Amino acid sequence: GEDVEQSLFLSVREGDSSVINCTYTDSSSTYLYWYKQEPGAGLQLLTYIFSNMDMKQDQRLTVLLNKKDKHLSLRIADTQTGDSAIYFCAESPGNSGNTPLVFGKGTRLSVIA
Amino acid sequence: GAVVSQHPSWVICKSGTSVKIECRSLDFQATTMFWYRQFPKQSLMLMATSNEGSKATYEQGVEKDKFLINHASLTLSTLTVTSAHPEDSSFYICSARDAAGPGTRYEQFFGPGTRLTVL
Repeated sequence: GEDVEQSLFLSVREGDSSVINCTYTDSSSTYLYWYKQEPGAGLQLLTYIFSNMDMKQDQRLTVLLNKKDKHLSLRIADTQTGDSAIYFCAESPGNSGNTPLVFGKGTRLSVIA
Repeated sequence: GAVVSQHPSWVICKSGTSVKIECRSLDFQATTMFWYRQFPKQSLMLMATSNEGSKATYEQGVEKDKFLINHASLTLSTLTVTSAHPEDSSFYICSARDAAGPGTRYEQFFGPGTRLTVL
């Protein structure tokens, strides 16, 4: 079945770049997503990438997609303390409206001032 | 942007009582909503897929008689935790998908979550 894997923890210093990695299994996923969850809150969509793209940049966020290796990464430039949160990678198997996204277990990013 | 609300945001109840949690899509129609459960410092666990006008599809291991789901309209789904016990204490999150047609990204928009504490 579908599976999404992420490292569980990442710690960086304020001002450095953070890179969160993710691997997925379903090659039919048309879109891949990154969500952010702050403590006690729901998930907020950060960004997404279409499967025929290699890279997408949105302000401090850069998403890289290696479709051959089914590897997705999220780079946060100039990481701030407000970026401390859990980041979830998600794939959309078959991109069907009735099929839920498959989420990884989340990477807890801690930013040290 | 698409907004999903949940009510209540937190609830404390006595063991044996039932609790209803509402999930609403505020500015779009959602034929499909999803209910998740999240334990502290753990990932999301999909409980069920709620389809408007039909029965919910429950994930393996989730008791359908304990977690009643009703998706009565295109903007509202409810989760009722029946005869709640302390082990049901958790953070419950719903999400919804826009019912727009082909070309939709089918991303899921999440509610802010409901923290349930059963004493």
